[in-house]
Amino acid sequence: EIVMTQSPATLSVSPGERATLSCRASQSVSSNLAWYQQKPGQAPRLLIYGASTRATGIPARFSGSGSGTEFTLTISSLQSEDFAVYYCQQYNNWPPYSFGQGTKLEIK
Amino acid sequence: EVQLVESGGGLVQPGGSLRLSCAASGFTVSSNYMSWVRQAPGKGLEWVSVIYSGGSTYYADSVKGRFTISRDNSKNTLYLQMNSLRAEDTAVYYCARESCSGGSCYRGHNWFDPWGQGTLVTVSS
Repeated sequence: EIVMTQSPATLSVSPGERATLSCRASQSVSSNLAWYQQKPGQAPRLLIYGASTRATGIPARFSGSGSGTEFTLTISSLQSEDFAVYYCQQYNNWPPYSFGQGTKLEIK
Repeated sequence: EVQLVESGGGLVQPGGSLRLSCAASGFTVSSNYMSWVRQAPGKGLEWVSVIYSGGSTYYADSVKGRFTISRDNSKNTLYLQMNSLRAEDTAVYYCARESCSGGSCYRGHNWFDPWGQGTLVTVSS
């Protein structure tokens, strides 16, 4: 099973600043990586697939990069609605699909 | 509008059973790969099970032999029958459609979109 490790566990950033979240896979997942945003009491929402392709309706301030074992989600100019928990998911080696443990993005 | 609505969660004693439902609208369940993903309180996401358009099913090791995924094509609804429930099965259970780019999805190579709102299952005496 591929283990996904996200860092940091909590990230404190001021509105308007840039946030950089990391996700590492225990073995290569090529570009088969997705990012999700989850707000309290809500279901996860797809942000990015294929490591760098934004899902429909996702603002351009969200961008993904990386391949192999190292991936990054960058949110430029943070808006108030962006403070949430973010998860990465690999879909290269299955079963099972595996998720990272999440990064909580909080207001500084 | 594509939408998934779960129901059936609740409080159940250890060893008990529960059946979750996920009603879909805006697309056909039987033509898609459909998964259940769960989230224990305050924890991360864990994939539970998938049913493919052809009917094949797969399960996480943690639920294999206890949970059964199925669908009712006439009702466009996905189900998860959960037996021999344990305290560690306590979680919010989400149904989700597996999605992919291009014309055809490949097993095990998809992301999840959309998700239902989730239904809480609590296993406790």
